[in-house]
Amino acid sequence: SQQGEEDPQALSIQEGENATMNCSYKTSINNLQWYRQNSGRGLVHLILIRSNEREKHSGRLRVTLDTSKKSSSLLITASRAADTASYFCASITQGGSEKLVFGKGMKLTVNP
Amino acid sequence: DGGITQSPKYLFRKEGQNVTLSCEQNLNHDAMYWYRQDPGQGLRLIYYSQIVNDFQKGDIAEGYSVSREKKESFPLTVTSAQKNPTAFYLCASRRRSSTDTQYFGPGTRLTVL
Repeated sequence: SQQGEEDPQALSIQEGENATMNCSYKTSINNLQWYRQNSGRGLVHLILIRSNEREKHSGRLRVTLDTSKKSSSLLITASRAADTASYFCASITQGGSEKLVFGKGMKLTVNP
Repeated sequence: DGGITQSPKYLFRKEGQNVTLSCEQNLNHDAMYWYRQDPGQGLRLIYYSQIVNDFQKGDIAEGYSVSREKKESFPLTVTSAQKNPTAFYLCASRRRSSTDTQYFGPGTRLTVL
């Protein structure tokens, strides 16, 4: 079963613009993580936000978490062509086993 | 150079054959995972192991088998019972803390001819 759903499913922007991706989940979580996947490659961890945190920054990345709405957003500022990839949110449910449950992903294309 | 490796990168199999995908890590991680990814889809969990000589079924374990004889290794066998095995297979590992992230291998693309 998939816990997270990213929105939109695809986004195309110009270099320098900001990209915002949203993730909704169904059950209470311990933490929520964002991963990136370049085409045909493995996933790379970007950032983790705990359930008691509301916002977190890492370089050009900003993640927010709203547990009352069961949603998270990932903002990439000043996007670059190299940011072109698929982005996934993933979460570990509270009280569950140590399994990450992934959303279906969102394809971001940054045009030079 | 620490990390997680998968081999081979591409694998072709005839229908009715079993095939084993390799996953090795030198990160000293306790937990290891196998995921399947179909085009345009997210990752679905096949099997996972939190400790040597122990593993649990994930969401789509039918037609697959695993072993965890060593901490560093978690091979996945795709059996002939798996009806639609063509997919991209990803292996991951992590430490036991729930706040720890997963580290992924580069993946193996399996094609059934």
